[in-house]
Amino acid sequence: DAGVIQSPRHEVTEMGQEVTLRCKPISGHDYLFWYRQTMMRGLELLIYFNNNVPIDDSGMPEDRFSAKMPNASFSTLKIQPSEPRDSAVYFCASSFLSGRLTGELFFGEGSRLTVL
Amino acid sequence: TQLLEQSPQFLSIQEGENLTVYCNSSSVFSSLQWYRQEPGEGPVLLVTVVTGGEVKKLKRLTFQFGDARKDSSLHITAAQPGDTGLYLCAGRISSGSARQLTFGSGTQLTVLP
Repeated sequence: DAGVIQSPRHEVTEMGQEVTLRCKPISGHDYLFWYRQTMMRGLELLIYFNNNVPIDDSGMPEDRFSAKMPNASFSTLKIQPSEPRDSAVYFCASSFLSGRLTGELFFGEGSRLTVL
Repeated sequence: TQLLEQSPQFLSIQEGENLTVYCNSSSVFSSLQWYRQEPGEGPVLLVTVVTGGEVKKLKRLTFQFGDARKDSSLHITAAQPGDTGLYLCAGRISSGSARQLTFGSGTQLTVLP
């Protein structure tokens, strides 16, 4: 079975441009998480979905960030307009957690974003 | 301020040495996980501990959950170059959402041949 698939793997863009990151979770997983990783702040949770519904977006830095999950097999994280401080590796992770207090998060390989 | 503090931040050792990595917090966790991340990849789960005082072994890796469920340690015996990577602890807070994982700051381990 394929793991979590993210695209693009790398993106270089200029300040002010719109960036869209994509994620395909593992089939059957009911939770999807978006994380951002930087040297300074480590791995930060941005938002997570349960059965395609956003549950907690308190980690989203500001209104420039938005995330959607139109169906169980696809999610996007959009930054508009992008700024240099958004440069980071963005990870998508999925898990099957319903009825469980703990479970393994399966991460994608990440999307490395550089905003010039 | 990191909810989960890991130490040391960086560790470089020779092959064959032993090491311990620590994960500390003032919060109580319902469960704690350890992940390893290699360059260019996402973190991969190593272990989950849920009971205070629990000890789990995974080959040369020994994981311990503190009695009060506020801290954890990872001990590696006879480290090998293949153990090189970023080690992350991650906890679920007892009083918070059971679905949210908070990650520690990470320990970057380099094992030299």
